[in-house]
Amino acid sequence: DAGITQSPRYKITETGRQVTLMCHQTWSHSYMFWYRQDLGHGLRLIYYSAAADITDKGEVPDGYVVSRSKTENFPLTLESATRSQTSVYFCASTGRHEQYFGPGTRLTVT
Amino acid sequence: DQQVKQNSPSLSVQEGRISILNCDYTNSMFDYFLWYKKYPAEGPTFLISISSIKDKNEDGRFTVFLNKSAKHLSLHIVPSQPGDSAVYFCAASASGNNDMRFGAGTRLTVKP
Repeated sequence: DAGITQSPRYKITETGRQVTLMCHQTWSHSYMFWYRQDLGHGLRLIYYSAAADITDKGEVPDGYVVSRSKTENFPLTLESATRSQTSVYFCASTGRHEQYFGPGTRLTVT
Repeated sequence: DQQVKQNSPSLSVQEGRISILNCDYTNSMFDYFLWYKKYPAEGPTFLISISSIKDKNEDGRFTVFLNKSAKHLSLHIVPSQPGDSAVYFCAASASGNNDMRFGAGTRLTVKP
């Protein structure tokens, strides 16, 4: 199916653990993005990528690492999860101006 | 520093009436504005957009108005339907900049 998918959809992890959230898109869009959604803040950009092997920081990058070895994949890694990283994470890719979002990953850090 | 603000966290309207969702921004470099709609447990979906060279864009029941001097935009939904009940996010970006900023969202409830 064409589109943008995220896995896992739900994840519970412990403080200090490494967690990787996966994102895959089938449109061959150049740009991909990671956001987190928190109550009262809307969506905040964590990292984005203009193409394979090109990434850049967004508004809230601390504590996160990204890579993009292939155009279609853009994984987000929390190297040492903290409770403040409990959130819903959305991956997106861009058409022209508008962005197309995945279904989200709800991450809970205990 | 929230550059895009949606000051109403929620809005309730009667089916068939007009829904007006508001958004303010502070960054004068923003020149492209979008509205997204989000249902629970789903990702946001693009609804409508407007470039700063326009002051109005219409798509069916949805119209976005932009007032550049006031740094304000609004989304009008006429007539409102129960299926429009969702969270609406306003977003803004500047040309050549992929750092899109989102508002905190407004939860719209349309009552039958």
